[in-house]
Amino acid sequence: DTAVSQTPKYLVTQMGNDKSIKCEQNLGHDTMYWYKQDSKKFLKIMFSYNNKELIINETVPNRFSPKSPDKAHLNLHINSLELGDSAVYFCASSPLTGVNEKLFFGSGTQLSVL
Amino acid sequence: AQSVTQLDSQVPVFEEAPVELRCNYSSSVSVYLFWYVQYPNQGLQLLLKYLSGSTLVKGINGFEAEFNKSQTSFHLRKPSVHISDTAEYFCAVLNYGGSQGNLIFGKGTKLSVKP
Repeated sequence: DTAVSQTPKYLVTQMGNDKSIKCEQNLGHDTMYWYKQDSKKFLKIMFSYNNKELIINETVPNRFSPKSPDKAHLNLHINSLELGDSAVYFCASSPLTGVNEKLFFGSGTQLSVL
Repeated sequence: AQSVTQLDSQVPVFEEAPVELRCNYSSSVSVYLFWYVQYPNQGLQLLLKYLSGSTLVKGINGFEAEFNKSQTSFHLRKPSVHISDTAEYFCAVLNYGGSQGNLIFGKGTKLSVKP
Protein backbone atom coordinates (compact mmCIF):
# COMPACT_ATOMS: atom_id res chain seq x y z
CA ASP A 1 0.00 0.00 0.00
CA THR A 2 1.36 3.37 -1.01
CA ALA A 3 1.52 5.69 1.98
CA VAL A 4 1.44 8.99 0.07
CA SER A 5 0.10 8.75 -3.45
CA GLN A 6 -0.17 11.48 -6.02
CA THR A 7 -1.77 11.48 -9.43
CA PRO A 8 -1.00 11.87 -12.18
CA LYS A 9 2.65 10.86 -12.30
CA TYR A 10 3.21 12.80 -15.50
CA LEU A 11 1.28 15.81 -16.75
CA VAL A 12 1.94 17.46 -20.08
CA THR A 13 -0.19 20.46 -20.96
CA GLN A 14 -0.32 23.70 -22.90
CA MET A 15 0.30 27.15 -21.53
CA GLY A 16 -2.84 28.80 -20.26
CA ASN A 17 -4.58 25.59 -19.24
CA ASP A 18 -5.87 24.79 -15.75
CA LYS A 19 -4.79 21.52 -14.17
CA SER A 20 -4.99 19.70 -10.85
CA ILE A 21 -2.70 17.28 -9.05
CA LYS A 22 -4.23 15.05 -6.42
CA CYS A 23 -2.61 13.78 -3.26
CA GLU A 24 -3.83 11.27 -0.72
CA GLN A 25 -2.17 9.83 2.35
CA ASN A 26 -3.35 6.74 4.21
CA LEU A 27 -1.10 7.23 7.22
CA GLY A 28 -3.56 9.11 9.38
CA HIS A 29 -1.25 12.14 9.44
CA ASP A 30 -2.51 15.55 10.42
CA THR A 31 -0.16 17.62 8.25
CA MET A 32 0.29 17.65 4.49
CA TYR A 33 2.58 19.65 2.25
CA TRP A 34 3.24 20.57 -1.35
CA TYR A 35 6.80 21.04 -2.56
CA LYS A 36 8.14 22.19 -5.93
CA GLN A 37 11.42 20.82 -7.28
CA ASP A 38 12.72 22.92 -10.13
CA SER A 39 15.07 21.94 -12.94
CA LYS A 40 18.07 22.73 -10.74
CA LYS A 41 16.78 20.25 -8.17
CA PHE A 42 15.92 22.90 -5.58
CA LEU A 43 13.11 21.57 -3.41
CA LYS A 44 11.00 24.34 -1.93
CA ILE A 45 7.94 24.30 0.27
CA MET A 46 4.83 25.79 -1.30
CA PHE A 47 2.02 25.05 1.15
CA SER A 48 1.40 23.23 4.38
CA TYR A 49 -1.96 22.20 5.79
CA ASN A 50 -2.61 20.96 9.30
CA ASN A 51 -5.92 19.17 9.73
CA LYS A 52 -7.38 20.90 6.67
CA GLU A 53 -6.19 24.36 7.70
CA LEU A 54 -3.52 26.31 5.83
CA ILE A 55 -0.48 26.92 8.06
CA ILE A 56 2.27 27.72 5.56
CA ASN A 57 1.83 29.63 2.35
CA GLU A 58 5.14 30.58 0.83
CA THR A 59 5.52 33.16 -1.89
CA VAL A 60 3.61 31.31 -4.54
CA PRO A 61 1.56 32.91 -7.33
CA ASN A 62 -2.13 32.95 -6.52
CA ARG A 63 -2.66 30.85 -9.64
CA PHE A 64 -1.76 27.97 -7.31
CA SER A 65 -4.56 27.02 -4.98
CA PRO A 66 -4.41 24.07 -2.59
CA LYS A 67 -7.62 22.39 -1.54
CA SER A 68 -7.97 20.04 1.41
CA PRO A 69 -11.40 18.35 1.43
CA ASP A 70 -10.34 16.25 4.41
CA LYS A 71 -7.14 15.68 6.30
CA ALA A 72 -6.18 12.72 4.11
CA HIS A 73 -6.24 14.75 0.89
CA LEU A 74 -4.44 17.84 -0.31
CA ASN A 75 -4.96 18.67 -3.96
CA LEU A 76 -3.12 21.33 -5.91
CA HIS A 77 -4.95 23.30 -8.56
CA ILE A 78 -3.03 25.49 -10.96
CA ASN A 79 -4.73 28.09 -13.14
CA SER A 80 -3.39 29.64 -16.33
CA LEU A 81 -0.29 27.46 -16.47
CA GLU A 82 2.97 29.12 -17.48
CA LEU A 83 6.22 27.70 -18.86
CA GLY A 84 7.95 28.39 -15.55
CA ASP A 85 5.53 26.10 -13.75
CA SER A 86 7.29 23.11 -15.32
CA ALA A 87 8.77 21.18 -12.42
CA VAL A 88 8.30 18.11 -10.30
CA TYR A 89 5.70 18.62 -7.59
CA PHE A 90 5.91 16.51 -4.46
CA CYS A 91 3.22 15.96 -1.91
CA ALA A 92 4.28 14.97 1.60
CA SER A 93 2.76 14.34 5.00
CA SER A 94 3.86 14.09 8.61
CA PRO A 95 2.07 13.08 11.82
CA LEU A 96 2.69 16.48 13.35
CA THR A 97 5.02 19.33 12.49
CA GLY A 98 7.62 18.97 15.25
CA VAL A 99 11.28 18.27 14.62
CA ASN A 100 10.97 14.71 15.86
CA GLU A 101 8.69 13.97 12.96
CA LYS A 102 9.74 13.03 9.49
CA LEU A 103 8.24 13.79 6.14
CA PHE A 104 6.73 11.04 4.04
CA PHE A 105 6.88 11.97 0.38
CA GLY A 106 4.88 10.88 -2.62
CA SER A 107 6.76 9.87 -5.75
CA GLY A 108 6.18 13.19 -7.48
CA THR A 109 4.25 14.59 -10.43
CA GLN A 110 6.34 15.79 -13.34
CA LEU A 111 4.55 18.74 -14.88
CA SER A 112 5.63 19.88 -18.34
CA VAL A 113 4.07 23.05 -19.70
CA LEU A 114 4.52 23.49 -23.46
CA ALA B 1 18.22 33.31 6.54
CA GLN B 2 19.36 29.73 6.38
CA SER B 3 20.90 28.06 3.38
CA VAL B 4 22.29 24.66 2.52
CA THR B 5 25.14 24.01 0.12
CA GLN B 6 25.89 20.62 -1.32
CA LEU B 7 29.15 21.17 -3.10
CA ASP B 8 29.04 18.12 -5.33
CA SER B 9 26.18 17.72 -7.78
CA GLN B 10 27.40 14.26 -8.82
CA VAL B 11 29.58 11.68 -7.11
CA PRO B 12 30.52 8.54 -9.04
CA VAL B 13 32.08 5.72 -7.03
CA PHE B 14 32.80 2.05 -7.46
CA GLU B 15 30.95 -0.58 -5.48
CA GLU B 16 32.44 -1.32 -2.03
CA ALA B 17 34.36 1.97 -2.03
CA PRO B 18 33.81 4.50 0.76
CA VAL B 19 31.89 7.67 -0.01
CA GLU B 20 31.41 11.09 1.56
CA LEU B 21 28.71 13.50 0.43
CA ARG B 22 29.36 17.01 1.62
CA CYS B 23 26.88 19.40 3.14
CA ASN B 24 27.51 22.85 4.57
CA TYR B 25 24.90 25.14 6.01
CA SER B 26 24.62 28.72 7.12
CA SER B 27 22.32 29.99 9.82
CA SER B 28 22.38 32.72 12.44
CA VAL B 29 20.68 30.43 14.96
CA SER B 30 21.01 26.82 16.09
CA VAL B 31 19.74 24.24 13.67
CA TYR B 32 18.57 20.71 13.21
CA LEU B 33 20.04 18.80 10.28
CA PHE B 34 18.67 16.05 8.06
CA TRP B 35 19.66 13.85 5.15
CA TYR B 36 16.97 12.58 2.81
CA VAL B 37 17.45 10.06 -0.02
CA GLN B 38 15.48 9.88 -3.25
CA TYR B 39 15.67 6.61 -5.16
CA PRO B 40 14.77 6.70 -8.87
CA ASN B 41 11.08 7.37 -9.45
CA GLN B 42 10.34 7.61 -5.74
CA GLY B 43 9.72 10.33 -3.20
CA LEU B 44 12.29 11.41 -0.62
CA GLN B 45 12.84 9.27 2.47
CA LEU B 46 14.53 10.29 5.72
CA LEU B 47 18.00 8.77 6.02
CA LEU B 48 19.06 10.30 9.33
CA LYS B 49 18.78 13.44 11.42
CA TYR B 50 20.72 15.38 14.02
CA LEU B 51 18.64 17.06 16.69
CA SER B 52 20.96 17.13 19.70
CA GLY B 53 23.42 15.00 21.65
CA SER B 54 26.13 12.96 19.98
CA THR B 55 27.44 14.66 16.89
CA LEU B 56 27.82 11.33 15.09
CA VAL B 57 24.45 10.18 13.84
CA LYS B 58 23.74 6.76 12.41
CA GLY B 59 20.96 6.25 9.89
CA ILE B 60 19.46 3.54 7.77
CA ASN B 61 21.35 1.45 5.22
CA GLY B 62 24.71 1.88 6.95
CA PHE B 63 24.96 5.64 6.46
CA GLU B 64 26.19 8.02 9.12
CA ALA B 65 26.77 11.74 9.34
CA GLU B 66 28.77 13.96 11.63
CA PHE B 67 27.64 17.37 12.79
CA ASN B 68 30.54 19.81 12.98
CA LYS B 69 29.37 23.10 14.43
CA SER B 70 32.64 24.96 13.97
CA GLN B 71 32.75 24.07 10.29
CA THR B 72 28.96 24.28 9.89
CA SER B 73 29.00 20.94 8.14
CA PHE B 74 26.98 17.75 8.20
CA HIS B 75 28.75 15.39 5.80
CA LEU B 76 27.22 12.01 5.00
CA ARG B 77 29.44 8.93 4.89
CA LYS B 78 29.28 5.25 4.16
CA PRO B 79 32.35 2.99 4.46
CA SER B 80 31.33 0.64 1.64
CA VAL B 81 28.63 1.43 -0.91
CA HIS B 82 26.38 -0.91 -2.85
CA ILE B 83 24.81 -0.57 -6.27
CA SER B 84 21.48 -0.11 -4.49
CA ASP B 85 22.77 3.12 -2.91
CA THR B 86 22.54 4.81 -6.30
CA ALA B 87 20.17 7.70 -5.62
CA GLU B 88 19.96 11.44 -5.07
CA TYR B 89 20.82 12.62 -1.56
CA PHE B 90 19.45 15.85 -0.09
CA CYS B 91 20.77 17.65 2.95
CA ALA B 92 18.26 19.84 4.82
CA VAL B 93 18.36 22.29 7.70
CA LEU B 94 15.70 23.50 10.12
CA ASN B 95 15.99 26.36 12.60
CA TYR B 96 15.34 25.72 16.27
CA GLY B 97 11.67 26.40 16.82
CA GLY B 98 10.80 25.71 13.22
CA SER B 99 8.36 23.10 12.00
CA GLN B 100 8.83 20.45 9.32
CA GLY B 101 7.37 22.78 6.72
CA ASN B 102 10.28 25.17 7.29
CA LEU B 103 12.90 22.66 6.14
CA ILE B 104 15.40 24.16 3.72
CA PHE B 105 16.79 21.62 1.27
CA GLY B 106 20.06 21.63 -0.62
CA LYS B 107 20.21 21.03 -4.36
CA GLY B 108 21.02 17.37 -3.96
CA THR B 109 24.00 15.15 -4.78
CA LYS B 110 23.54 12.35 -7.24
CA LEU B 111 25.44 9.27 -6.08
CA SER B 112 26.17 6.78 -8.86
CA VAL B 113 27.62 3.46 -7.74
CA LYS B 114 29.30 1.48 -10.50
CA PRO B 115 30.14 -2.24 -10.42
